[in-house]
Amino acid sequence: EAQVTQNPRYLITVTGKKLTVTCSQNMNHEYMSWYRQDPGLGLRQIYYSMNVEVTDKGDVPEGYKVSRKEKRNFPLILESPSPNQTSLYFCASSSPRNYEQYFGPGTRLTVT
Amino acid sequence: AQSVTQLGSHVSVSEGALVLLRCNYSSSVPPYLFWYVQYPNQGLQLLLKYTTGATLVKGINGFEAEFKKSETSFHLTKPSAHMSDAAEYFCAVSEATGGFKTIFGAGTRLFVKA
Repeated sequence: EAQVTQNPRYLITVTGKKLTVTCSQNMNHEYMSWYRQDPGLGLRQIYYSMNVEVTDKGDVPEGYKVSRKEKRNFPLILESPSPNQTSLYFCASSSPRNYEQYFGPGTRLTVT
Repeated sequence: AQSVTQLGSHVSVSEGALVLLRCNYSSSVPPYLFWYVQYPNQGLQLLLKYTTGATLVKGINGFEAEFKKSETSFHLTKPSAHMSDAAEYFCAVSEATGGFKTIFGAGTRLFVKA
């Protein structure tokens, strides 16, 4: 089954404690992306990757890091989380042939 | 720079009535346009997309949308609403000339009354 998986699904942490949210896809997609969803703001793109070792900033990259060492994985790293990063995060993957994005189930992060 | 505006954060219709969700975009290059649906506590699912070719596109669950370049619009319609259509709907635009930068609208929550 074609899918995008994210872990963990829920995470509560404290300010400043580094964390990583993993994302993996099994569709051999070149493109992957991270979004955050906040009420009234829709989804905002944090970072995207067009292939292994190729990443670029989206609209809200501050406070986040990503890496793309393997085609299937695209982890999101928060090195020093702050309360304003409390949000619902989605990973997505896509083929460059149609840009149709497949979304993971989401990770709800709370930073206290 | 790209942007997406969805008119109306909430839309309420009666079951069986026409659904119309509005989306206007701006893009300096030819756009790829999308509508996604999000059911409660779930991820997003593609409803339909416009890339090239026919400007009237049909999607899943009876939805369709028309790309109007002159009006920079991509409104989503469904002739007859069903209770199961209640969800949040997002319009999105990606640049068609390379890159994967994608802009989403703020979303429209659709309520369907019995």
